[in-house]
Amino acid sequence: AQSVTQLGSHVSVSEGALVLLRCNYSSSVPPYLFWYVQYPNQGLQLLLKYTTGATLVKGINGFEAEFKKSETSFHLTKPSAHMSDAAEYFCAVLYGSSNTGKLIFGQGTTLQVKP
Amino acid sequence: EAGVAQSPRYKIIEKRQSVAFWCNPISGHATLYWYQQILGQGPKLLIQFQNNGVVDDSQLPKDRFSAERLKGVDSTLKIQPAKLEDSAVYLCASSLGSGRFDEQYFGPGTRLTVT
Repeated sequence: AQSVTQLGSHVSVSEGALVLLRCNYSSSVPPYLFWYVQYPNQGLQLLLKYTTGATLVKGINGFEAEFKKSETSFHLTKPSAHMSDAAEYFCAVLYGSSNTGKLIFGQGTTLQVKP
Repeated sequence: EAGVAQSPRYKIIEKRQSVAFWCNPISGHATLYWYQQILGQGPKLLIQFQNNGVVDDSQLPKDRFSAERLKGVDSTLKIQPAKLEDSAVYLCASSLGSGRFDEQYFGPGTRLTVT
């Protein structure tokens, strides 16, 4: 069965510092992995996704994530945090066949950016 | 392109009352999803429609929750009667198709408080 674990429900960084949000998954098949961002009182927005091919995936707003099969990880990083990055971040794995897609989400990590 | 629309944005009801949420997906999107997001947790899929047919409702509490998607466009999710534990944000999402390659686009959600 597919599942997602996000390590750390709250992460706090200073503006300009490295952002690292951790995600580990379990999947019985090659996974499709996603990171979503949720700003207050808004829906989820896709940051980036890994399906096949290159294991380093670049997304919007300067974020990137690396798929590491041996570690079953898909950590999200950004070299320099900006105040506008403060939000909640969700890692997700896609469960299903080629004709059906069901997202399984982690519990989320709240990113705080201090000035 | 207009995004996924949801209404109302906020709703407060007493336990044992009934409530309904409405979702209008992106035009042309065949697949529609309803998620429940409890505070501090990631979204959990309640039901998935492909056009006006149900694809997956395995996690929908059918004794109190119901959903329909008439004419394969708009959808309503109903809770009757509501319990305290139903307090959550209800997210609607839509995608062009239902396959693994189809990105899900999320609406802003309806925040339900049951007192």
